[in-house]
Amino acid sequence: KNEVEQSPQNLTAQEGEFITINCSYSVGISALHWLQQHPGGGIVSLFMLSSGKKKHGRLIATINIQEKHSSLHITASHPRDSAVYICAVRGGGADGLTFGKGTHLIIQP
Amino acid sequence: DTGVSQNPRHKITKRGQNVTFRCDPISEHNRLYWYRQTLGQGPEFLTYFQNEAQLEKSRLLSDRFSAERPKGSFSTLEIQRTEQGDSAMYLCASSSGGKEKLFFGSGTQLSVL
Repeated sequence: KNEVEQSPQNLTAQEGEFITINCSYSVGISALHWLQQHPGGGIVSLFMLSSGKKKHGRLIATINIQEKHSSLHITASHPRDSAVYICAVRGGGADGLTFGKGTHLIIQP
Repeated sequence: DTGVSQNPRHKITKRGQNVTFRCDPISEHNRLYWYRQTLGQGPEFLTYFQNEAQLEKSRLLSDRFSAERPKGSFSTLEIQRTEQGDSAMYLCASSSGGKEKLFFGSGTQLSVL
């Protein structure tokens, strides 16, 4: 079973700061997802990665398969980025995703 | 296309009652997943379907839980003889394949009194 660890668990930053959220996993994977969850439960898929780097607007996701590590970066952070960011992986013999506990991000104006 | 739809949004029930939730995935998606999330935790995988076939079930899915996807379109998740520990947000997601992006519904929040 894959173990997924995220850090930090909580992060408060000022508007405009560069944000990094980290995710480590224990077993080889076929894909890694970064998800955003707002209060009330709605989950939005931000990225799905199997290698390299992806960018969408102010969001950048990278993955290092050898080190079993991924990072989510937010440039020029804004209060509307405040949410829980969840890392989830597929692999380790299971097709269902294994999720991290999430990183609770607050961006203060 | 309105995305993944879940009903009801909220369900309050008494311990011992049966409850059923419904998920309508994005129409062309052949994969449908059920997850459960408790407060402060990440979601946990319950089960998934490819078309009408239930291909994988988590050990979390006790014999009180049953899921169906009879025509490969919508899915139902039934919990029999509910317990207080079943209180959680039940999330449904769909995708067009195992390596494709997931789309989540808004979830059904279950409270067992």
